Amino acid sequence: GENVEQHPSTLSVQEGDSAVIKCTYSDSASNYFPWYKQELGKRPQLIIDIRSNVGEKKDQRIAVTLNKTAKHFSLHITETQPEDSAVYFCAASKDDKIIFGKGTRLHILP
Amino acid sequence: KAGVTQTPRYLIKTRGQQVTLSCSPISGHRSVSWYQQTPGQGLQFLFEYFSETQRNKGNFPGRFSGRQFSNSRSEMNVSTLELGDSALYLCASSDRVGGQETQYFGPGTRLLVL
Repeated sequence: GENVEQHPSTLSVQEGDSAVIKCTYSDSASNYFPWYKQELGKRPQLIIDIRSNVGEKKDQRIAVTLNKTAKHFSLHITETQPEDSAVYFCAASKDDKIIFGKGTRLHILP
Repeated sequence: KAGVTQTPRYLIKTRGQQVTLSCSPISGHRSVSWYQQTPGQGLQFLFEYFSETQRNKGNFPGRFSGRQFSNSRSEMNVSTLELGDSALYLCASSDRVGGQETQYFGPGTRLLVL
């Protein structure tokens, strides 16, 4: 079955700097890769997603890249702000069956 | 539109009991998925229902079951509760518009098994 690895588990960046979170997946048939942000005590929120027919997608300060050959995808957050502090989960999905990474706790330092 | 709602928000049960959790999706959404979130295992997919049919299932034992009603509301049932079932149970409803699926999570039900 699908296995999703996410790194790092914890990431601290200075406010204004960029943050990058990386995920790898095992099932080459996975075709949908969403990213979720979960603030402390709150529900996960879909922040961006990418499908296997696209290599990169951007939404304001957030971008996701996908390398199907290497089976890895990454989340990039530029000009980080305090409200970006949260746990971020990547996921890989095939036929609507979704497997999540373990999450990355992102700390934005003042 | 009202968001995804889940009831109850908190629940305490003892081992061996059974529990039923409820999820009301966003109006118009026909797909409801259930997830278990624990500190150790993270977010894990339980199952997905679409138009009253289970469309996908994760790797959970048969003690975990669910159903969806004609109004898209969904229930999840866990029988013979074990201590390890203590978790936050999240449901999410989704809608596919123009080939783009958008998923919204509910606030979750926090279950504690003693």
